[in-house]
Amino acid sequence: AQSVSQHNHHVILSEAASLELGCNYSYGGTVNLFWYVQYPGQHLQLLLKYFSGDPLVKGIKGFEAEFIKSKFSFNLRKPSVQWSDTAEYFCAVNVGGADGLTFGKGTHLIIQP
Amino acid sequence: DTGVSQNPRHKITKRGQNVTFRCDPISEHNRLYWYRQTLGQGPEFLTYFQNEAQLEKSRLLSDRFSAERPKGSFSTLEIQRTEQGDSAMYLCASSLPILAGDRNEQFFGPGTRLTVL
Repeated sequence: AQSVSQHNHHVILSEAASLELGCNYSYGGTVNLFWYVQYPGQHLQLLLKYFSGDPLVKGIKGFEAEFIKSKFSFNLRKPSVQWSDTAEYFCAVNVGGADGLTFGKGTHLIIQP
Repeated sequence: DTGVSQNPRHKITKRGQNVTFRCDPISEHNRLYWYRQTLGQGPEFLTYFQNEAQLEKSRLLSDRFSAERPKGSFSTLEIQRTEQGDSAMYLCASSLPILAGDRNEQFFGPGTRLTVL
């Protein structure tokens, strides 16, 4: 079974700082990779996804992620964060497309104005 | 609002009681998923349906948990003889058929928060 590891459980940054959140997965085959975000009081929503092709994927609100197959990683990045990026971020993976997602434990990101 | 809806949003029950939650997916989505999320953890996949067929149920936490989707539209998740350890947020998600593209982008509902006293 696959698993997902998110290295940072709590991250505090100042506005305009650059962001990188780590995500590693364990599975030797083809995977689909996702980053979801949960803003305070809201439900989970998709930030970006990778299925195949260009390993650098761009999502909403200026976020991007890079799939590095050799490192089993799918790190999330944003060059300049805003106060409104304060949220919980979850990395997720699934195999075969149809099955449920396996999530990491999440990273709680706080942006200080 | 055309997103995934879940009812009730909050449920408080006493240990040993049965509870049932409802999920209404986005109308054109034929796949429906149930997850459980406890404090400090990411969502944990429980089961999913394609139309009315339950294609995966080995991840249901115990035989006290069951789910149905009788007409391929809304779904219910039932927990029998609730225990305090069942206290969690129960999330529902739905997605388009895979052949429609955007493979398995799942859209989540707001969840039902269960508290077992």
